[in-house]
Order: sequence, then structure tokens, then C-alpha cells
Amino acid sequence: TQLLEQSPQFLSIQEGENLTVYCNSSSVFSSLQWYRQEPGEGPVLLVTVVTGGEVKKLKRLTFQFGDARKDSSLHITAAQTGDTGLYLCAGGVGNQFYFGTGTSLTVIP
Amino acid sequence: NAGVTQTPKFQVLKTGQSMTLQCAQDMNHEYMSWYRQDPGMGLRLIHYSVGAGITDQGEVPNGYNVSRSTTEDFPLRLLSAAPSQTSVYFCASTLRWRYGEQYFGPGTRLTVT
Repeated sequence: TQLLEQSPQFLSIQEGENLTVYCNSSSVFSSLQWYRQEPGEGPVLLVTVVTGGEVKKLKRLTFQFGDARKDSSLHITAAQTGDTGLYLCAGGVGNQFYFGTGTSLTVIP
Repeated sequence: NAGVTQTPKFQVLKTGQSMTLQCAQDMNHEYMSWYRQDPGMGLRLIHYSVGAGITDQGEVPNGYNVSRSTTEDFPLRLLSAAPSQTSVYFCASTLRWRYGEQYFGPGTRLTVT
């Protein structure tokens, strides 16, 4: 059973389009992170959200933490080919961290 | 500052063999962890440590052992390799474990035949 469900699993879009990736759970998290992973490498942290309802912006990326701290979304504006990769959400429960199954994004030039 | 390093990068084992995956970090992080990544499964926590001398099991600990004698090193031992342990293994460390800001190593791709 996956604690964190991500959707969609795969996404292929044209350069310049907008997209949203979702991360949902029935559990409450003390914090939630988003990572990006490229083939053959380890995940790289993009952002941490801590407060329910929190919105963080990182250039063209906007991250939102749900009010109840059970879900999060990642919105990319005007996608670029450099955004291609696997996007993973992760949440902490006690001393352990749980990862979503990931969203594989391909941006076509 | 090398961050998190892992060795080897690739390994092939026969069923029943044992081996140790090495992980080291030079950031003085207290919290370290091992994950495995399988297609369609995301990353799953194997073992973690909140400080030297303290380890605990994660989501999928069976078949693996860990120890943490120093802050810097956190090796993962496969006791008797099985084909089901074919995976990519990542080590991670974090300074602020309550916020999960983990730094990952480059991974070890393990194949068990």
C-alpha cells in the first residue's frame, strides 16, 4: 500500500505549456518535500513545505501544501525541455519518510 | 565538500552472495537512510539512523543489515543476496530530519542473478 499517491504517473507536453502534478494521501504529514530526479542520478530536493495552506514559488514552479497537510501540488508554468525528469513527493511521519511513486515528465521541444 | 558518496556504482552478485554497499557523507548530518528504488514503486525506506550508534528499520528491512559507528559512514549489508533485491539503492542524509530535506548519493545499481 502506497502512503503517497501521485498523479499523473506519466505526462508528455509541448514546451511552453503549463502542467500540474498532484500528491495525495490519507495521512497527515509534518512536512512534505518535492524532488526531481534525472536518469542515473539521485533525487535532488526542490522545496519543503511545512505549514498547511503554504504556497512556495521557485521561478516557474509553484508548490502548494493542502490546508489539512495531507496533499500537495506542483504547478509548472511555461514548461521547458530542462524540466524533463521524474518528480517525486515525500512526506515525513515520525522518524520515517515515505515517497510517492513519481510523475515522469517529458517536455517536447 | 563531496556531499553523499556511494560505492560501488554498479554491482552484479550471484544468489546467496553477501556484500556491503558503502555510504559516506561529509556534511556532519545526524540522520542517514537507505532506500531502494524499483520501477513503479518510488523509493522505499530500508533502514535509517538518527545518529551514531542508533539504527532502526524502515518499510522494507528484510535481508538487509546496517550499522552506524561514526557520523560519516552508514554501510548497508546484504546478508544473502536474492533476485528480489535487484534494484537501485540510494543513500541519503539530512541535517534537519524533522523537515526531511534529504541529500542523496548517486546510487548503486545492483543486479542479483
